[in-house]
Amino acid sequence: QVQLQESGPGLVKPSETLSLTCTVSGGSISGYYWTWIRQPPGKGLEWIGNIHYSGNTNFSPSLRSRVTISLDTSKNQFSLRLRSVTAADTAVYYCARGGSGVQIYYYYYFMDVWGKGTTVTVSS
Amino acid sequence: SSELTQDPAVSAALGQTVRITCLGDSLRSYYATWYQQKPGQAPRLVIYGKNNRPSGIPDRFSGSSSGNTASLTITGAQAEDEADYYCYSRDNSGNHLVFGGGTKLTVL
Repeated sequence: QVQLQESGPGLVKPSETLSLTCTVSGGSISGYYWTWIRQPPGKGLEWIGNIHYSGNTNFSPSLRSRVTISLDTSKNQFSLRLRSVTAADTAVYYCARGGSGVQIYYYYYFMDVWGKGTTVTVSS
Repeated sequence: SSELTQDPAVSAALGQTVRITCLGDSLRSYYATWYQQKPGQAPRLVIYGKNNRPSGIPDRFSGSSSGNTASLTITGAQAEDEADYYCYSRDNSGNHLVFGGGTKLTVL
């Protein structure tokens, strides 16, 4: 059974870089989109971006200028870097396994396995 | 604001059928995926594609779509269904993915 676990600092100073790693266990990293999502306190979910096992990336337009997502297949891990953070980046950050499919000519996208989430606070 | 619009809150009596909707232009071209999130927990996939449920999701959950509107229907809502529900799909450009703002379901 595939499991995901986020790790990284829980506290980051304003203007610095937030760095998180997601470790994939119980399965291969091949064939999926590996995704980061966040949720500010008391608010909804926000899709940050993903990386395909081929290395292709896709980011939210609102975060694209500050985000990097990378993949380390040898360690079965993928990582998030968010530069120049502010208090608005305080959130629970989730990693997830994503995929897509087509049914009766329409595509769909999903994330079926999620990490438990890690809280990151941006504060001096 | 999100390109997928959801009502902030809905309520239903125990055992009643409740429908949660998601509106967006992209839904004319893509299916919505639905997630359930309970306090302090990660989201859980409940519906994907035309109307598919992952293993372990009760069959009282179903999905449908018409025009620019996707719906999640719970037939006979249970107390344990009280949660936040999010739709998820492509944005209007078709290039990125986006969540709806979420709907808080209260089961009375």
